[in-house]
Amino acid sequence: EPEVTQTPSHQVTQMGQEVILRCVPISNHLYFYWYRQILGQKVEFLVSFYNNEISEKSEIFDDQFSVERPDGSNFTLKIRSTKLEDSAMYFCASILAEHEQYFGPGTRLTVT
Amino acid sequence: GDSVTQMEGPVTLSEEAFLTINCTYTATGYPSLFWYVQYPGEGLQLLLKATKADDKGSNKGFEATYRKETTSFHLEKGSVQVSDSAVYFCALTMNRDDKIIFGKGTRLHILP
Repeated sequence: EPEVTQTPSHQVTQMGQEVILRCVPISNHLYFYWYRQILGQKVEFLVSFYNNEISEKSEIFDDQFSVERPDGSNFTLKIRSTKLEDSAMYFCASILAEHEQYFGPGTRLTVT
Repeated sequence: GDSVTQMEGPVTLSEEAFLTINCTYTATGYPSLFWYVQYPGEGLQLLLKATKADDKGSNKGFEATYRKETTSFHLEKGSVQVSDSAVYFCALTMNRDDKIIFGKGTRLHILP
């Protein structure tokens, strides 16, 4: 069964550093999403991406965040200058139009 | 805005007990409703869904019925197993390609 994959599974970085989280969505999917889950809290929407542009973003998704689909297979989330409060599990999801979202296993980001 | 409220956890039950996890929603239109499950150390998996009023979603012995009159989507299982121990998230989306709005999650512990 096709699945969404994410790398790395765990990323440790120092405050102020840039990180790039990578996702490979299911190959024929058209819509892509990033969510995050701070430890013990609910899963929060960050951004959706369709047709090579952001279709919606939350208030969490400020200028420090960016997304890109550089090569038609990867979907990346970049955080330019990480803060302690960016420590969370980041989930990528993808969808074929009119179907439910498939989630990746997540990347745990730890900012020290 | 649209939101999901679910019962606080943790919920601790003995094996073979009956499970109910309450979920209510607030939405301006007619959302699709979901239950996602997160097993320890894993990502989010869709457990079941319902897309219109009075629909019943079911999977792995779990059931939930979309009740428009009470804006609820309570999760039930007649006889839980130790392997059901996980965090359960109630969620909604207004359109199939739209972001998912999650509740805070309910941690379920099943004792042998």
